Amino acid sequence: DAGITQSPRHKVTETGTPVTLRCHQTENHRYMYWYRQDPGHGLRLIHYSYGVKDTDKGEVSDGYSVSRSKTEDFLLTLESATSSQTSVYFCAIRTGVGRPSPLHFGNGTRLTVT
Amino acid sequence: AQTVTQSQPEMSVQEAETVTLSCTYDTSESDYYLFWYKQPPSRQMILVIRQEAYKQQNATENRFSVNFQKAAKSFSLKISDSQLGDAAMYFCAYRRGSQGGSEKLVFGKGTKLTVNP
Repeated sequence: DAGITQSPRHKVTETGTPVTLRCHQTENHRYMYWYRQDPGHGLRLIHYSYGVKDTDKGEVSDGYSVSRSKTEDFLLTLESATSSQTSVYFCAIRTGVGRPSPLHFGNGTRLTVT
Repeated sequence: AQTVTQSQPEMSVQEAETVTLSCTYDTSESDYYLFWYKQPPSRQMILVIRQEAYKQQNATENRFSVNFQKAAKSFSLKISDSQLGDAAMYFCAYRRGSQGGSEKLVFGKGTKLTVNP
């Protein structure tokens, strides 16, 4: 268990509303990632972070922003949710343990935008 | 950009039999890593096995093994003595070698494995 907690576990929201998903880790690892999972697409990277206040875009970053003000927390924000953002969102961390070090994933947040 | 292709959207196997899931990838890099993840209905992403590109020896983890063909850019997963608990989505993933910390994991679209009793 890599100590990753995602909240909320499920969320239903309306189009146009802002939404923030939280990822919390207990072990102070440097690298954190947000992925979305959609049928027929696998997991696609939204944003990632390589330290406090250090973030970068992934392949599907449009409509999303992130923040990392503390090592342990990585927030994903949908400024104005759209139906195309209905998805399962996974946070992941890279622990650096083992070679090659894999990603460890949280349990996911299922977001429905109506 | 690197891409990962899993050509079998669905596979099925009889309990106790062996099944192989295919994965190919496209890269111009020589230093990279490959992974297989399992996602059961619980939605949890679980690491199954990993391989470093510079190692010629195929990785093995209990009933799970890979056939890594670097020249062919192929990374198939073999599950021996299949069990009902092996039923899940399986994702193949690729990551470049160290590039100053910005390495990202690129996933295939997944293969849904059904295990029949």
